[in-house]
Amino acid sequence: SQELEQSPQSLIVQEGKNLTINCTSSKTLYGLYWYKQKYGEGLIFLMMLQKGGEEKSHEKITAKLDEKKQQSSLHITASQPSHAGIYLCGAANTDKLIFGTGTRLQVFP
Amino acid sequence: GAGVSQSPSNKVTEKGKDVELRCDPISGHTALYWYRQSLGQGLEFLIYFQGNSAPDKSGLPSDRFSAERTGGSVSTLTIQRTQQEDSAVYLCASSLTPGQGARETQYFGPGTRLLVL
Repeated sequence: SQELEQSPQSLIVQEGKNLTINCTSSKTLYGLYWYKQKYGEGLIFLMMLQKGGEEKSHEKITAKLDEKKQQSSLHITASQPSHAGIYLCGAANTDKLIFGTGTRLQVFP
Repeated sequence: GAGVSQSPSNKVTEKGKDVELRCDPISGHTALYWYRQSLGQGLEFLIYFQGNSAPDKSGLPSDRFSAERTGGSVSTLTIQRTQQEDSAVYLCASSLTPGQGARETQYFGPGTRLLVL
């Protein structure tokens, strides 16, 4: 079965700093989703990547899917307190999603 | 509606009782998913409905869990004879008709927090 491993598990950064979260799959990724979750809320869709080498950006968040399609990275530039939360990567597996273990991000002033 | 809604937002029950969790998907979305998020287990798939097709129940952890989707819209997840290990956040998601590999984005509701005492 496919497994997704995220690193780091937890991240504490100072406001304004850049950071990167990685998602590594045990199998080829045919669709990779990034979601963000805050306590008391559901998952908020961020981006979806399908093609090897693809890169997408939304505001200060950029996600990439490597050429071999087994790893994705999420990069946040000039982090803000509003970026705090749990970031989850999800891999398309037939018609459902398999999720990574999550990365908890805290941003302090 | 504007997004996926779930009710109740929180549920506390006693061990052995039955509970029903409700999900209202985004209007027009034919696919509906249930996931469970618990400490130490992450987010795991439970069941998937697509149109009038037979649901994919491969993720249900035991026969105490069941779900139905009436009229192709609202879904109810039922847990019978609840156990303490059922305590978790139950998340519902919906999407447009998915292509192969779930390439239609799934949009999630806020979840139902279930606590079994």
